[in-house]
Amino acid sequence: DQQVKQNSPSLSVQEGRISILNCDYTNSMFDYFLWYKKYPAEGPTFLISISSIKDKNEDGRFTVFLNKSAKHLSLHIVPSQPGDSAVYFCAAVIGGGGADGLTFGKGTHLIIQP
Amino acid sequence: SAVISQKPSRDICQRGTSLTIQCQVDSQVTMMFWYRQQPGQSLTLIATANQGSEATYESGFVIDKFPISRPNLTFSTLTVSNMSPEDSSIYLCSVKGVDLPRESNEQFFGPGTRLTVL
Repeated sequence: DQQVKQNSPSLSVQEGRISILNCDYTNSMFDYFLWYKKYPAEGPTFLISISSIKDKNEDGRFTVFLNKSAKHLSLHIVPSQPGDSAVYFCAAVIGGGGADGLTFGKGTHLIIQP
Repeated sequence: SAVISQKPSRDICQRGTSLTIQCQVDSQVTMMFWYRQQPGQSLTLIATANQGSEATYESGFVIDKFPISRPNLTFSTLTVSNMSPEDSSIYLCSVKGVDLPRESNEQFFGPGTRLTVL
């Protein structure tokens, strides 16, 4: 049972345009969400996170939106750059600040085209 | 964030053997975790490495197969025992609560260990 779902295995976006990566979750107990970026042969790199008490968090070119009623979050990257080409993972955790590990989606491979 | 290193970075092993993976952090951290990423799959939590006590394992993972140690606040090991080809994966450690006083939800990952079992 996949509690965190990223339904798009890949996404192709032109350089300079907006990239929108989507994530859905089924467990209403999740109260903190994170996005990670992963290059081949490297570990995931933390990008941005959001608490369930918020609906938006912004950090430079990255913005995460959370719609709790729809159990949906999205990561917006604008403008998209060639270095953004990577696999992006959505993750969720229960009990913010507690001892739990993360539950990950399967990832979306973002390809930025020149 | 912290600087996290893993050894080895990759290995090719014969079935039936065991491999111990080390995770070293350059800061004291509150929590350390071990994850597995099987080919084409998402990251799956194996266990939480508890300092000075037995690790806490997730459903589907057992101590006999994946013994874990955490002797202090900066180091942990994961052993993959009696390996089979199904254990071929990337194994990653992650840390949370860098520099102890700060508690947060963000986890930071090591570079991973790519294991191939023949």
